[in-house]
Amino acid sequence: GAGVSQSPSNKVTEKGKDVELRCDPISGHTALYWYRQRLGQGLEFLIYFQGNSAPDKSGLPSDRFSAERTGESVSTLTIQRTQQEDSAVYLCASSLLGTVNQPQHFGDGTRLSIL
Amino acid sequence: AQSVTQLGSHVSVSEGALVLLRCNYSSSVPPYLFWYVQYPNQGLQLLLKYTTGATLVKGINGFEAEFKKSETSFHLTKPSAHMSDAAEYFCAARNTGNQFYFGTGTSLTVIP
Repeated sequence: GAGVSQSPSNKVTEKGKDVELRCDPISGHTALYWYRQRLGQGLEFLIYFQGNSAPDKSGLPSDRFSAERTGESVSTLTIQRTQQEDSAVYLCASSLLGTVNQPQHFGDGTRLSIL
Repeated sequence: AQSVTQLGSHVSVSEGALVLLRCNYSSSVPPYLFWYVQYPNQGLQLLLKYTTGATLVKGINGFEAEFKKSETSFHLTKPSAHMSDAAEYFCAARNTGNQFYFGTGTSLTVIP
């Protein structure tokens, strides 16, 4: 079946521009997560959506970062006025809820490069 | 709060040797535990997940993990390393609040 899909796979943009990253979760997965992974480092939690509940935004590094999700479908992560330190791979994951040993399923990420 | 510690950011083994990647969790209540593998330019792929009551969990590609509550550990092993096992490995814990906590990762190098 289809996995988590992220687009674009690569994005190069100039400092100061806005970017929008997209994530299509696995159908039926009520939970959706965004992470940032800087080169050679681990995963940094950004935001978590669970169904129609208010998202957990505790990981967003600044007010330049925002994310939306409509229902249990597509999510977009927006970075405004990009800076060079925003360069990283942005990973999206989705998961079923209801059974706590359900894992996350990851997309291949969007590699963002800020010039 | 839950946390996951992976000892050793880099591990090198010879091809055919035992692979041992260490993971410890911090919680008085064992969380739900997972191991993921990340190949270059890819997302994370599930290797295995902890099942309540089990002590030895089998995953894909010949990997296993042993859960030891007394040591709060969930170490990943493979009896014989292959060149294709070279990758980044992440241990993760999930609490009942559906939040996941990841270790900082261990990069595995397999020497021919």
